[in-house]
Amino acid sequence: QQPVQSPQAVILREGEDAVINCSSSKALYSVHWYRQKHGEAPVFLMILLKGGEQKGHDKISASFNEKKQQSSLYLTASQLSYSGTYFCGTDPQTGANNLFFGTGTRLTVIP
Amino acid sequence: NAGVTQTPKFRILKIGQSMTLQCTQDMNHNYMYWYRQDPGMGLKLIYYSVGAGITDKGEVPNGYNVSRSTTEDFPLRLELAAPSQTSVYFCASSYGDRDYEQYFGPGTRLTVT
Repeated sequence: QQPVQSPQAVILREGEDAVINCSSSKALYSVHWYRQKHGEAPVFLMILLKGGEQKGHDKISASFNEKKQQSSLYLTASQLSYSGTYFCGTDPQTGANNLFFGTGTRLTVIP
Repeated sequence: NAGVTQTPKFRILKIGQSMTLQCTQDMNHNYMYWYRQDPGMGLKLIYYSVGAGITDKGEVPNGYNVSRSTTEDFPLRLELAAPSQTSVYFCASSYGDRDYEQYFGPGTRLTVT
């Protein structure tokens, strides 16, 4: 039930844009996005719920295609502080309180 | 607010030893979770709790036990440590269930040799 993330890694220069994708084989209730810096705990970015509601970071945008069971995270005008590993967590429509996390996308922003 | 705190930060165990990983949150959250993260991998849910006295298994519960006697505390017990339990363990809490963000503690890095 683990979602698949792509790309696995990406290097950007400051100011460039990136898209990180998350794809599930199961019908989803929601998708959660977290960022983790090396040696630190994951930090919440965004939740996208079935039906279109979003909660989270006002400088980061994301989309959730329920039909395709896919979500994308859009990082625009990247800053050095955006570096880290981005994880999506998918919540299947099974009723169980269990997020399944992808293996992450490592984003490096260079000056 | 300290948020979610975990102790210890690091621990080395010998095979067969036991230990308890402590987790405390001061946000009055009902939901608490234990995850493990293996190198280069995502988080996998071990156990979760929806309130004091209520716990349930996650994706990878074998070799672990939990209890939840108070809203604040959610300890994770390893009874007979095995090398496969070498990992970083994160505790998290949330105000509600699936619609709510999770707040993570700083993690415990455990090595079993």
